[in-house]
Amino acid sequence: SQQGEEDPQALSIQEGENATMNCSYKTSINNLQWYRQNSGRGLVHLILIRSNEREKHSGRLRVTLDTSKKSSSLLITASRAADTASYFCATDTPLVFGKGTRLSVIA
Amino acid sequence: ETGVTQTPRHLVMGMTNKKSLKCEQHLGHNAMYWYKQSAKKPLELMFVYNFKEQTENNSVPSRFSPECPNSSHLFLHLHTLQPEDSALYLCASSQRLGANTGELFFGEGSRLTVL
Repeated sequence: SQQGEEDPQALSIQEGENATMNCSYKTSINNLQWYRQNSGRGLVHLILIRSNEREKHSGRLRVTLDTSKKSSSLLITASRAADTASYFCATDTPLVFGKGTRLSVIA
Repeated sequence: ETGVTQTPRHLVMGMTNKKSLKCEQHLGHNAMYWYKQSAKKPLELMFVYNFKEQTENNSVPSRFSPECPNSSHLFLHLHTLQPEDSALYLCASSQRLGANTGELFFGEGSRLTVL
């Protein structure tokens, strides 16, 4: 199984700003998923993008996928303090996760 | 509420104890997973079950023993653990296992401390 690697490891922004996190992976995929984890809790699925899709939206989330570069990005617009969490990408079957990006949104 | 329930939420045990973690899913899923999350390390996939059959064991030490009596229940039996086994153990389930696994539903985790 391959592993998604998130970048940056940590990100601190002001409330209202946009947050962008990146994910790189190594081999061909069927789909890529993004998850969120509040401290000490379980992971929650945010969005799934298929290999034949380039962009997908869900509320304030926008995910892009570039299969030629084997990378994906997660954009959270108009961030809120409640968005403070760790964000993970995952690929392959069964899903293998990276270390995640820790996002801090300061009110 | 994700439909995946883990118990206990917190567990403290000595190195000579035997304990078990339990996971139950109410989603009618066919695949279940155990992950280990230690500080500053990626989530580690430990075991995967599909239709009650173990399909993956990622070189997990034998002091961790999984059991899947049916598609709704998954256990992790623990014995003679080491302090470095202290971690958050996460259970997850998915509708299927395969090329298009789809979304995983996670429980809230069991925080294990080994003294």
